[in-house]
Amino acid sequence: AQKVTQAQTEISVVEKEDVTLDCVYETRDTTYYLFWYKQPPSGELVFLIRRNSFDEQNEISGRYSWNFQKSTSSFNFTITASQVVDSAVYFCALTINTGGFKTIFGAGTRLFVKA
Amino acid sequence: DVKVTQSSRYLVKRTGEKVFLECVQDMDHENMFWYRQDPGLGLRLIYFSYDVKMKEKGDIPEGYSVSREKKERFSLILESASTNQTSMYLCASNYLAGGPKEQYFGPGTRLTVT
Repeated sequence: AQKVTQAQTEISVVEKEDVTLDCVYETRDTTYYLFWYKQPPSGELVFLIRRNSFDEQNEISGRYSWNFQKSTSSFNFTITASQVVDSAVYFCALTINTGGFKTIFGAGTRLFVKA
Repeated sequence: DVKVTQSSRYLVKRTGEKVFLECVQDMDHENMFWYRQDPGLGLRLIYFSYDVKMKEKGDIPEGYSVSREKKERFSLILESASTNQTSMYLCASNYLAGGPKEQYFGPGTRLTVT
């Protein structure tokens, strides 16, 4: 069975702190895709990053970075020097081929960044 | 600008009513999804469709059905609404060429069943 676990329900940090959001996934497929989305207080989910299972390169985009490790089935997300605008719910998601392409989301991590 | 629109932002229905939630995307995406979002549970996939008239069950299809007669439109149907279907419903779509791309989400429909 496929599963995505985001063990941290809520995280609270003070502005300028670094914070890492954990994501652990389970699948027996060798080809799969991983995503992170942000849901700000306004509600609409916003795409952050996509990775396929053959691309283990880490990625940095401004203050955001992602660490993909197949050996531990993890795809963690780090925000460096957090800002109040980073306050949101963050979702990790796994997409696999079932004939169509099914997506499983984690339960999300709510991040509070205090000024 | 890419758009996924949902027919209603808020909906209040009575137990036993048949409810239709409509979703339209203007990006020519092959794939469309219906999720429900509940506190602490994240997004749970109800159904998805990778082509017109094609559909596949997600993780929680019970009590729901879907219809995709045109590529741009994906409807979620609650045959007989129940109070445990009170939730936020999110529609999404994406391209599949070269592997599934990121999903674009609609603003959501908050459904209350009384």
